[in-house]
Amino acid sequence: QSALTQPASVSGSPGQSITISCTGTSSDVGGYNYVSWYQQHPGKAPKLMIYEVSNRPSGVSNRFSGSKSGNTASLTISGLQAEDEADYYCSSYTSSSTRVVFGGGTKLTVL
Amino acid sequence: QVQLQESGPGLVKPSQTLSLTCTVSGGSISSGDYYWSWIRQPPGKGLEWIGYIYYSGSTYYNPSLKSRVTISVDTSKNQFSLKLSSVTAADTAVYYCAAHRGSIAAADYWGQGTLVTVSS
Repeated sequence: QSALTQPASVSGSPGQSITISCTGTSSDVGGYNYVSWYQQHPGKAPKLMIYEVSNRPSGVSNRFSGSKSGNTASLTISGLQAEDEADYYCSSYTSSSTRVVFGGGTKLTVL
Repeated sequence: QVQLQESGPGLVKPSQTLSLTCTVSGGSISSGDYYWSWIRQPPGKGLEWIGYIYYSGSTYYNPSLKSRVTISVDTSKNQFSLKLSSVTAADTAVYYCAAHRGSIAAADYWGQGTLVTVSS
């Protein structure tokens, strides 16, 4: 059981927008602006897409955006493209001794 | 741009010690610009953070693995290493090394990963 809760799967059609949620507690997501999102294609290493809730690393499409409200962070992908089909993981700093926690991952299917 | 490459045995026997090395290129471990970490992913499952090291040698480990984990750094070789003792089948996973420029919750660069199978 992962520390952060994500939906197991989401889907959308090309051109549409989807949002993936990541729910934690006040000890992690709600307490710090250190939420990150990763994209992972099959057989590949994860790629950082969002850091510190809403910041995009250089080279990441502006179709990807992040936000947070209370204990829930969200990743929104607009203008869905076929290459966006992948697994997405959230992570957060936590005040617990674990220091870093991950969500269980969400499989995005582009219909 | 920082690049990382994991190396080590792909098969380890139960109760033995798993040893992996991460070679860093495109940046110096001793620059102090990054935290260096190990993260693993069991087949078909999610990510688990193992721990990190700073160039000074200071470390922090996931409490669930702390009694079995050692992460060390060799600045002369621009490498850092992972040792996980007393392994069981539950330690079978793809092991990634990663670099964190800011928060340890944000891994900016990742190695390609290496599958380590624990089996007799």
